[in-house]
Amino acid sequence: GDSVTQMEGPVTLSEEAFLTINCTYTATGYPSLFWYVQYPGEGLQLLLKATKADDKGSNKGFEATYRKETTSFHLEKGSVQVSDSAVYFCARTLSNTGKLIFGQGTTLQVKP
Amino acid sequence: GAGVSQSPSNKVTEKGKDVELRCDPISGHTALYWYRQSLGQGLEFLIYFQGNSAPDKSGLPSDRFSAERTGGSVSTLTIQRTQQEDSAVYLCASTRGDFHNEQFFGPGTRLTVL
Repeated sequence: GDSVTQMEGPVTLSEEAFLTINCTYTATGYPSLFWYVQYPGEGLQLLLKATKADDKGSNKGFEATYRKETTSFHLEKGSVQVSDSAVYFCARTLSNTGKLIFGQGTTLQVKP
Repeated sequence: GAGVSQSPSNKVTEKGKDVELRCDPISGHTALYWYRQSLGQGLEFLIYFQGNSAPDKSGLPSDRFSAERTGGSVSTLTIQRTQQEDSAVYLCASTRGDFHNEQFFGPGTRLTVL
């Protein structure tokens, strides 16, 4: 069935380190791909998105490229900050309803 | 402008009681979604509304769960005869209806069934 798989956390990094959170999805239909972030005590908010193959989504220094050949949408940031500590969710839509299928979430902790 | 709002923010109930959770989407958003976030299951889709119709109810876990939407706006998720496994954060999201667009999430209702 349709699914999204993320690397397991928690991920602990020092400030200014490079971040990669892997995400792969099942390739049925033509999904849009999203990264949502949940900061401590806050609701889910969109971080970035890509709607077709080879698109790159970017926001707040984060980037992810829609790779159809590897069915991946890995999240990267060149230099993380303590304020990036949060739970990150990769998600895909199902094109007939728009409902989101989420990965299990990856907790990122950045230490000063 | 106003975002998606949900009420109550917290609900504690006893096993076997019925509960109603409310969602007010962003004005003008035709599509509305309910999700559930729990420790064991992560984020799961429950039901999708387009206007007042629910073309996809496939995520509702049992017939104790139902939802309606009126006036193309407010939605209510009802859980009858609550069980402990219903404890979770229930999230509502809305969007204009273009499936490539961002879904805007409410703050959630944390349901605890004792």
